[in-house]
Amino acid sequence: EVQLVQSGAEVKKPGESLKISCKGSGYTFTSYWIGWVRQMPGKGLEWMGIIYPGDSDTRYSPSFQGQVTISADKSISTAYLQWSSLKASDTAMYYCARVGGMVRGVPHWFDPWGQGTLVTVSS
Amino acid sequence: QSALTQPASVSGSPGQSITISCTGTSSDVGGYNYVSWYQQHPGKAPKLMIYDVTNRPSGVSNRFSGSKSGNTASLTISGLQAEDEADYYCSSYTSSSTLVFGGGTKLTVL
Repeated sequence: EVQLVQSGAEVKKPGESLKISCKGSGYTFTSYWIGWVRQMPGKGLEWMGIIYPGDSDTRYSPSFQGQVTISADKSISTAYLQWSSLKASDTAMYYCARVGGMVRGVPHWFDPWGQGTLVTVSS
Repeated sequence: QSALTQPASVSGSPGQSITISCTGTSSDVGGYNYVSWYQQHPGKAPKLMIYDVTNRPSGVSNRFSGSKSGNTASLTISGLQAEDEADYYCSSYTSSSTLVFGGGTKLTVL
C-alpha cells in the first residue's frame, strides 16, 4: 500500500524556524514527485511546490517561492518542508501528496495524500 | 491566479444525483483537460476522486463521474449516500504554468 506519513503537530512562535517531514512507503520513493499543499483554517487548498527525490529537482508555486524550502533525503524516503522565520500567517494544515500527473513541470493531480501536519504560529 | 469558482454548498437526498460545478476561464479549465476533483471529510486529508476531467482512480466508486463543457467542469455523484457528505475541491492546470484550486463546495446529504 502506498502511504505517506507526516510528522506531528507543531506549535511555534513568530520568528522561529521549523522543518516538517513526510515519509513515503509502499513504492519507489525516488521515482515520483512529492508535492506540498497548504490549507489555512477554514479555507481551501493551495499548491506550494514539488520535489523529485531522485535528484532533488524542486519547483515552487510563484506564491510560495522564497517563502519556504522543500527538500528530500532519498536514503530515508522522506521529503521536508521548512521555514526559516515563521509568521502568524503560516498557521495552517500542511499536506504532502504524491504527484500523479505533471505537465510542463507543474503537477495537475495528487494521490495519495499524507494525513497532514498542523502548524500553529502564535506568540 | 484567481481560484476556480465553485458553489459554496449543494445538497441532495439519499439516492438522488447532484452535480458540483467548477468554473474557470479559457486559461485554465477551458484550455486543458487537466481538471481533478478531491473529496475531504472533516478533519481528514483530501482524497482524489477524478483526474484529467473524467478519469476515476482505482477504488473510487463509479457513482462519481467528471465532465467538462467550455470553461466549466462538473463532478456528478449519483445514488447519493450519507458517506458522500464532505467538502469537494476542483483543481486545474493553468496557462501561467501553475495549479489552481477551487474554493470548495460543502455537500450535505439531507
